[in-house]
Amino acid sequence: ILNVEQSPQSLHVQEGDSTNFTCSFPSSNFYALHWYRWETAKSPEALFVMTLNGDEKKKGRISATLNTKEGYSYLYIKGSQPEDSATYLCAFRPWEDNDMRFGAGTRLTVKP
Amino acid sequence: DSGVTQTPKHLITATGQRVTLRCSPRSGDLSVYWYQQSLDQGLQFLIQYYNGEERAKGNILERFSAQQFPDLHSELNLSSLELGDSALYFCASSPPELRGHNEQFFGPGTRLTVL
Repeated sequence: ILNVEQSPQSLHVQEGDSTNFTCSFPSSNFYALHWYRWETAKSPEALFVMTLNGDEKKKGRISATLNTKEGYSYLYIKGSQPEDSATYLCAFRPWEDNDMRFGAGTRLTVKP
Repeated sequence: DSGVTQTPKHLITATGQRVTLRCSPRSGDLSVYWYQQSLDQGLQFLIQYYNGEERAKGNILERFSAQQFPDLHSELNLSSLELGDSALYFCASSPPELRGHNEQFFGPGTRLTVL
């Protein structure tokens, strides 16, 4: 059972649009929240590892926030480009030595 | 290229057989993770090793086993294979600092097809 939920399941935007996705996870125990970008026919690529409530991380046009008390993280992409088209996965780790629970991902398509 | 290597890239076998998937982590990484991605499911965590010791276990079947060797490479053994074991198997590694707070670097995966 996936107790990490991502929304929306898929998203189509125009080049230049800004967009955001949500990752929800159980708020009872928290160790880390990972975001990955997964392009078709490639391997998942790490974007961020978030560990503290209120964390905000940024890499170029992509940024993420974390709220561990309410159990959600947002991923933002500013000025989407066609090369941003990918599936964005979040993974929740409740304890240090515990499983990684992945969401089903948000599939982003950016149209030129 | 993440620096994590996996062999073989593709594997086709029959039901009931046993296969071994191999993973070499990035130089210096002590943790190795194994994941399964089936068509109808998301990425499922199977097992984690840290410097040769099992550290965390996920949805790994009893027919599956893994180990990490002194040179830190890892092998995932799948036995009594069933059609439903057909999937993409990823290995990932992460550096020793900060333990589970580190990002993971994924290998290219092994595509297993069970006929």
